[in-house]
Amino acid sequence: SQQGEEDPQALSIQEGENATMNCSYKTSINNLQWYRQNSGRGLVHLILIRSNEREKHSGRLRVTLDTSKKSSSLLITASRAADTASYFCATVPTDSWGKLQFGAGTQVVVTP
Amino acid sequence: EADIYQTPRYLVIGTGKKITLECSQTMGHDKMYWYQQDPGMELHLIHYSYGVNSTEKGDLSSESTVSRIRTEHFPLTLESARPSHTSQYLCASSEKGLYYEQYFGPGTRLTVT
Repeated sequence: SQQGEEDPQALSIQEGENATMNCSYKTSINNLQWYRQNSGRGLVHLILIRSNEREKHSGRLRVTLDTSKKSSSLLITASRAADTASYFCATVPTDSWGKLQFGAGTQVVVTP
Repeated sequence: EADIYQTPRYLVIGTGKKITLECSQTMGHDKMYWYQQDPGMELHLIHYSYGVNSTEKGDLSSESTVSRIRTEHFPLTLESARPSHTSQYLCASSEKGLYYEQYFGPGTRLTVT
C-alpha cells in the first residue's frame, strides 16, 4: 500500500491565488520530499524537509511537516499558469535505505 | 536541467518482442532507480541499484530485469512484452545517503499492442 496519500486529488484555481495540498503518511520517516510533474514528463524535485524540521521555504513554496500527525502540506503562493502540474509527496521511511515512497499526487490547474 | 537521459521516449511494440529501455546519467550518482507509473497514478519502484553490480527488486513486482555494469548506465529489459506492460517507465538517480533528492529522466512511454 502506498505510504503517502494526498489531498485533494485535484485542485483548480486562478492565477494569483494560493494552492494548498496535503500529504499523510503511515510510518516514521527520515525526510519528506515534494516533486512536480508536468504532463507526460519526468519529476522535478521541489523541496526536502527533514524529520526534525517543521517548516521550510523555497521561493513561492512553503512546506510544513508535523511528524506527530504524520502529515505535510505544500503551499504555493501567488500561483501562475506555469504551476499547472501534478504534485507528489514522497517519504523516505526510516527503514527504507533511502528509497522514496510516493503518494498518488494532486493535480493542480491554474487558469489565467 | 538534470543530466539523466532515457531512450526511446515513446515505444509502440507488438506482444512477445524483447525490449530494452535505456537510462544514462552523467552526474556520477551511485544510486539509480526504475519506476513504473500509470497515467494519473503514483510511481511504483520496480528496480534499484546502489552501485555497479548491485541490483535489487523494488516494491512492485515486475517481469523486467536490470543490469548495472557501469555507473552511468542502468538499462531495463523486458524479454517478452505483453499488453499489461503498457505504462510509463521513469528512471532516476541520486547521490548516496538519505537526504538527497532524486533526479528523473523524461520517461519512456511504452505501449504493447
